[in-house]
Amino acid sequence: QSVLTQPPSVSAAPGQKVTISCSGSSSNTGNNYVSWYQHFPGTAPKLLIYENRKRPSGIPDRFSGSKSGTSATLGITGLQTGDEADYYCGTWDNSLSAYVFGGGTKLTVL
Amino acid sequence: EVQLVESGGGLVQPGGSLRLSCAASGFTFNTYWMTWVRQAPGKGLEWVANIKNDGSEKYYVDSVEGRFTISRDNAMNSLYLQMNSLRAEDTAVYFCASGGTYGLLDWGQGALVTVSS
Repeated sequence: QSVLTQPPSVSAAPGQKVTISCSGSSSNTGNNYVSWYQHFPGTAPKLLIYENRKRPSGIPDRFSGSKSGTSATLGITGLQTGDEADYYCGTWDNSLSAYVFGGGTKLTVL
Repeated sequence: EVQLVESGGGLVQPGGSLRLSCAASGFTFNTYWMTWVRQAPGKGLEWVANIKNDGSEKYYVDSVEGRFTISRDNAMNSLYLQMNSLRAEDTAVYFCASGGTYGLLDWGQGALVTVSS
């Protein structure tokens, strides 16, 4: 049972848009920055979004992040088959004094 | 180019010990928090521990507290994870990553640790 709640899976057609939600509490998402990671199994995870909405250099603007209250959202537009991966949100939890990840969301591009 | 290269993984019996290393290059290592994250087979990412740039602060997930120790050598641009009293549930791919609480920027390819008799 993860501290942060994500849908186990989402799907959409190529070219469409998808959003992935990440729900937490005041001890984590509500008062700390949220990051988003893309992970292809067997490879190194990649940071997509940090500080709720910022993109590291090299991350296309098809990827976007937002946060409202204790929930954060990752948006991906212009879906490509190469976007099929697992996506995780993460943030610091002040009560646990630990970094916490969501359970992960598997994106399928139909 | 940033590189993080883990080493030291392998097969170990329950109750045994292992030390993971992470060699960093391509960035100013001594200015970054560093983190260990693991992924057990078929499971999601799990944060394990992190350490402040000067080593003065360390944090651990409850399940490894007292068994694992994170450390760093800034002169060698290296991060370590000493793992003692290993359990079957510690079996995972262990990743080192740069960054602390604001986002884990760069990641290594991971080192597989298998705890089994």
